[in-house]
Amino acid sequence: AQSVTQLGSHVSVSEGALVLLRCNYSSSVPPYLFWYVQYPNQGLQLLLKYTSAATLVKGINGFEAEFKKSETSFHLTKPSAHMSDAAEYFCAVSDRRNRDDKIIFGKGTRLHILP
Amino acid sequence: EPEVTQTPSHQVTQMGQEVILRCVPISNHLYFYWYRQILGQKVEFLVSFYNNEISEKSEIFDDQFSVERPDGSNFTLKIRSTKLEDSAMYFCASSDQDRAGQPQHFGDGTRLSIL
Repeated sequence: AQSVTQLGSHVSVSEGALVLLRCNYSSSVPPYLFWYVQYPNQGLQLLLKYTSAATLVKGINGFEAEFKKSETSFHLTKPSAHMSDAAEYFCAVSDRRNRDDKIIFGKGTRLHILP
Repeated sequence: EPEVTQTPSHQVTQMGQEVILRCVPISNHLYFYWYRQILGQKVEFLVSFYNNEISEKSEIFDDQFSVERPDGSNFTLKIRSTKLEDSAMYFCASSDQDRAGQPQHFGDGTRLSIL
């Protein structure tokens, strides 16, 4: 069975500082990996996805994530945090063997940006 | 950019009543999903739907739940007799999985409150 673990339910960084949100996955087959962001009272917006092309994936709003198979990790980073980055971030995995496979979400990490 | 739309944004219902949540997926998408997020918890898969039938359903999706694509554009989730624990945010998603690794696109959700 597939799963994702997000380390830290809350992360606080100062504006302008590096953002690092950690995600580890478990999958018996090479997975598809995603990061979604949820702003207050809104839906889930795709930040970026890994589908086995480049291991370093660039997404929207300056975010990127690196797939590391040896560490089963897919951590999300952004060099310089902005106040507008405050939101909840979900790491997610799906099974590439099935076209209609469900997405398994992590528990989420709420990112707080300190002025 | 095309998006998934959900109505209503907030639904308040008495316990035991039937409720129908509506979704309009992206027009050329073939796979449809419902997820839910209980307040403060992670997003959980409910059901996937393809070619006018359920592809997969979770343990949560019991006999009280049903899905339907009544016409060429809408995708609905019905809860026959609501319970207090059905209170949650319900997200509809759709994807075009004919190309590998296509992500699911989510609507803004319907907040269901059971009284």
